[in-house]
Amino acid sequence: AQRVTQPEKLLSVFKGAPVELKCNYSYSGSPELFWYVQYSRQRLQLLLRHISRESIKGFTADLNKGETSFHLKKPFAQEEDSAMYYCALSGLGGRRALTFGSGTRLQVQP
Amino acid sequence: DVKVTQSSRYLVKRTGEKVFLECVQDMDHENMFWYRQDPGLGLRLIYFSYDVKMKEKGDIPEGYSVSREKKERFSLILESASTNQTSMYLCASSTTGPTSGANVLTFGAGSRLTVL
Repeated sequence: AQRVTQPEKLLSVFKGAPVELKCNYSYSGSPELFWYVQYSRQRLQLLLRHISRESIKGFTADLNKGETSFHLKKPFAQEEDSAMYYCALSGLGGRRALTFGSGTRLQVQP
Repeated sequence: DVKVTQSSRYLVKRTGEKVFLECVQDMDHENMFWYRQDPGLGLRLIYFSYDVKMKEKGDIPEGYSVSREKKERFSLILESASTNQTSMYLCASSTTGPTSGANVLTFGAGSRLTVL
């Protein structure tokens, strides 16, 4: 079975502070990991995926297979980063549906 | 340029009623999904479909059924709505081809269902 764990329901930081949203996964095969974001009154949308190895809106995430983690990081938080963030996993070669974590709400205070 | 459209944004139904949630995508995607989104629980997969007339159960299929008669349309049906099915329902689609967008979900705006 595949599982995604986001241990923090809420993360509150001040503008300019570093941000790390934690994500741990459980999957026996080779996973593909994603971060999705939902801004207020907007649709859920892709933020980044590990195979792209790119930085989006200043966010990065590195897949650590040894620790089975895919934490999302940004060195300097902005108020517009306030949103709900979901980590998700797809088993490569397995079912194409994503398994999502429970989500972390990021609040960036001025 | 809305690509995944959910027909109803808000619905209020009574216990025992039959409920239809419709979803249409215009990206010619093979895969379509229904999730429900609840605070503290995240997104949970109800059903998904790889192709027309094909469906597979997700993690919480009890009390739900689906229909995919055309590639672009995926319907979620609650045969007899219950109060514990009050939730936000999200439809999504994806492609599995050898493209950079493969396996990336495109979501609809959601349908908020309240069952009284």
